[in-house]
Amino acid sequence: AQKITQTQPGMFVQEKEAVTLDCTYDTSDPSYGLFWYKQPSSGEMIFLIYQGSYDQQNATEGRYSLNFQKARKSANLVISASQLGDSAMYFCAMREWTDKLIFGTGTRLQVFP
Amino acid sequence: GAGVSQSPRYKVAKRGQDVALRCDPISGHVSLFWYQQALGQGPEFLTYFQNEAQLDKSGLPSDRFFAERPEGSVSTLKIQRTQQEDSAVYLCASSGLEKGTDTQYFGPGTRLTVL
Repeated sequence: AQKITQTQPGMFVQEKEAVTLDCTYDTSDPSYGLFWYKQPSSGEMIFLIYQGSYDQQNATEGRYSLNFQKARKSANLVISASQLGDSAMYFCAMREWTDKLIFGTGTRLQVFP
Repeated sequence: GAGVSQSPRYKVAKRGQDVALRCDPISGHVSLFWYQQALGQGPEFLTYFQNEAQLDKSGLPSDRFFAERPEGSVSTLKIQRTQQEDSAVYLCASSGLEKGTDTQYFGPGTRLTVL
């Protein structure tokens, strides 16, 4: 079974609008962490935001917020006020007790003027 | 430069050649990870070090892949007798305990092309 599922291969959003990128996960470990990374065409994986399984509040980092719904096992990334520079691949990842990250297949976001 | 660095950025090898990929983690980071990213896919775990100890090598695809971190800082991923299926981007990440999250910070990757 897929541990991390990103069902949107591609998304389009107009500049200054908000966009939600979906991520669902599967684990039986009660302690886990969820991460979102951005990968522009240059190839580097850029850390965006982290949510711990025991965190009571949704994580926020500037224009990024994580809509964490534990019972549904979803951790969607919300980008507010999209900018042209947000165009990139976005990966959701989970860390269980083993410390390694398990990644989804990614969503390509394209922001248009 | 406070980030993770990797060298070379690009490597072209003929099938059967050995290659060595280097990773310099963020100073003071105890944990170091190697991932392999095939074209159009998410990264996949290869191996993990805590200081100089290799704690998990379950993701190494074959015994042609070998990683080391002898002094607990710089790490080298070596691939012997390269095959075309080894063509991928090899990403290195390191993590410490900033903010208590063990967030992994990635380097720019080494793009390996095996002809």
